[in-house]
Amino acid sequence: GQNIDQPTEMTATEGAIVQINCTYQTSGFNGLFWYQQHAGEAPTFLSYNVLDGLEEKGRFSSFLSRSKGYSYLLLKELQMKDSASYLCAVMDSNYQLIWGAGTKLIIKP
Amino acid sequence: GAVVSQHPSWVICKSGTSVKIECRSLDFQATTMFWYRQFPKQSLMLMATSNEGSKATYEQGVEKDKFLINHASLTLSTLTVTSAHPEDSSFYICSARELGAGHTDTQYFGPGTRLTVL
Repeated sequence: GQNIDQPTEMTATEGAIVQINCTYQTSGFNGLFWYQQHAGEAPTFLSYNVLDGLEEKGRFSSFLSRSKGYSYLLLKELQMKDSASYLCAVMDSNYQLIWGAGTKLIIKP
Repeated sequence: GAVVSQHPSWVICKSGTSVKIECRSLDFQATTMFWYRQFPKQSLMLMATSNEGSKATYEQGVEKDKFLINHASLTLSTLTVTSAHPEDSSFYICSARELGAGHTDTQYFGPGTRLTVL
């Protein structure tokens, strides 16, 4: 079966760095997405990785290792507004997104 | 960036009535639109994939006669929840994939519609 695993909840301090991991087992791979979702709102796109390596975009970076079925989202200089759920999603061989359950990130002052 | 809108943002209805939710891509054409449902504290669940001008493809376990999807144009898809019941109460989110953007391009999400069935 297809499976996406990510931690349920993480806590970090304002101004610090946090890494959210995602491991996946899917039928085929056509890219991995990270989305941010604030409570009661729809997800917003953060990043897309299809090749191995690190993609940096401002305070957020995303890493992919296809051989290991592993990705992480790195958030630097954390701000209170970064408190949200972070969803990892993999596009499978049918070009459909398989979603993880999301990681709730709590930022403390 | 690309914008997707949904209407209404929230709706409360009586059990047994039907509710229509609209999803529009405002500044791009979307050959494919997706409808998701999200229950509290759970992940997004794909309900169906809608291609313009053809019948929607429903995921296993989703009743196509209950959740009617119409994708009549490249900028509009509608989801109608027929004979709604309290267990249909959920957050319904649509997303759209841009025309000509290829399979692996980003899906842009609408803001979601919160449905409460009394």
